[in-house]
Amino acid sequence: QVQLVESGGGVVQPGGSLRLSCAASGFTFSSYGMHWVRQAPGKGLEWVALIRYDGSNKYYADSVKGRFTISRDNSKNTLYLQLNSLRAEDTAIYYCAKDPGLSSSSWHYFDYWGQGTLVTVSS
Amino acid sequence: DIQMTQSPSTLSASVGDRVTITCRASQSISSWLAWYQQKPGNAPKLLIYKASSLESGVPSRFSGSGSGTEFTLTISSLQPDDFATYYCQQFNSPPWTFGQGTKVEIK
Repeated sequence: QVQLVESGGGVVQPGGSLRLSCAASGFTFSSYGMHWVRQAPGKGLEWVALIRYDGSNKYYADSVKGRFTISRDNSKNTLYLQLNSLRAEDTAIYYCAKDPGLSSSSWHYFDYWGQGTLVTVSS
Repeated sequence: DIQMTQSPSTLSASVGDRVTITCRASQSISSWLAWYQQKPGNAPKLLIYKASSLESGVPSRFSGSGSGTEFTLTISSLQPDDFATYYCQQFNSPPWTFGQGTKVEIK
């Protein structure tokens, strides 16, 4: 069965950095686009970033563009999100999520989600 | 960006009730809409995609309809397990945006 397990969250000061990981299993990771979606405490869902199945293209929400970097290592079945220049408004649970589209055919919705990792930006 | 607006924000209902949640897009998104269910402390779960296609394993009491700018999620007979928050999401164009959520509470 599909499993997505995030890690790397924690408490960081404003301006700091953090790297999130998402270990994938139960499907051919290298064949699917992957996303990060976040949820501020008590708030709704916000799409953050997408990386194509082969890492060839990456897309970001305007709110994180230039500060966050999505990447993947298909040999390790792992998705990453590098968070730099963190702000208080980046405090959220960060979910990795699988796109249902095979290879180049991304659909841009989310058929499987991890349990999330909490990032808290506070001094 | 395409804005997604759900109504109501909160809905109080009883077991066995028929429940309808509405989602409106700020511009036409054809049928490129998904619905998710989220319970407290859990990740969202996909229920419906392409406006009306039921995800595998999701009970048939859930159904979706609509196209263009107006969509509905219907639960035909509310069950105890269905008390949760529901989100719509457009996947017509980036950034892929969500509605603000509808919380279904016990009446």
